[in-house]
Amino acid sequence: DIVMTQTPVSLSVTPGQPASISCKSSQSLLHGDGRTYLCWYLQKPGQPPQLLIYEVSNRFSGVPDRFSGSGSGTDFTLKISRVEAEDVGIYYCMHSVQHPWTFGQGTKVDIE
Amino acid sequence: EVQLLESGGSLVQPGGSVRLSCAAAGFTLGNYAMNWVRQAPGKAPEWVSYISTSGGNTDYADSVKGRFTISRDNSKNTLYLQMNSLRVEDTAIYYCAKKYYYYMDVWGKGTTVTVSS
Repeated sequence: DIVMTQTPVSLSVTPGQPASISCKSSQSLLHGDGRTYLCWYLQKPGQPPQLLIYEVSNRFSGVPDRFSGSGSGTDFTLKISRVEAEDVGIYYCMHSVQHPWTFGQGTKVDIE
Repeated sequence: EVQLLESGGSLVQPGGSVRLSCAAAGFTLGNYAMNWVRQAPGKAPEWVSYISTSGGNTDYADSVKGRFTISRDNSKNTLYLQMNSLRVEDTAIYYCAKKYYYYMDVWGKGTTVTVSS
C-alpha cells in the first residue's frame, strides 16, 4: 500500500497570512495514463471531508482561488494564500492511483 | 441538489452483522462508481470498498476483505455495505462517496457503527 505522510501535524495561522502543508507519498503517484492522482480534502468539525483539489493542482467547483496545489511524483504541497476563519479544520491528502486509496494522517489548521 | 444519505448504523456486539444503506438523490446512481470510506474516532479516513457502475467489479481494503460485501441496486438508487464478523476496530463513521474520475466528489454525512460488548 502507498503510505501518505503529511507535515506539519498542526498549524496555527493568523488570519490573512499564508499557510502551507506538505504531503509525501511512498511511491510515485504518476499513473500510466500520464496523470497524477493526488487530491486534497478539508474536513470541518462534524462534517464529511470536502474536496478542494484534484489531480495535484485543479481546484474543485466552488473552491476559492486562495487554495492552490502543486507538486509531482512523490512530493506535493497545498497552499492557502491568505487564511480565513472558515478555513479551520483538518486537511488530508489522498492518492487514487491504485487501490487501496490511502489518506495522509491529516494536518489540523486553526486560527491564532 | 446532489446528495447521499447513509443509514443503518447501530451498536452491535463483536461478531455481529450490520447492513448499511446509502440513498442517492439529485443524480442517477447507476451512472457512477461508488465507494465506502470509514473514519474511526480521531483518525484519518480509510477507504473501505469500491463498486463499479454495474456492480460487476468490486474491491476491498485488506482489513475488511472476506467480511464486508458492497452491492448496489441501481433501480432503487441505493448502495449497500453488508458487514459481517464485526470487530471492535470496525467502530467508525461510515461514509458513502460518489466516484468521479479518480476522486470522490460527493460524500454523505455518514452513519455510525459501534462494535462493543
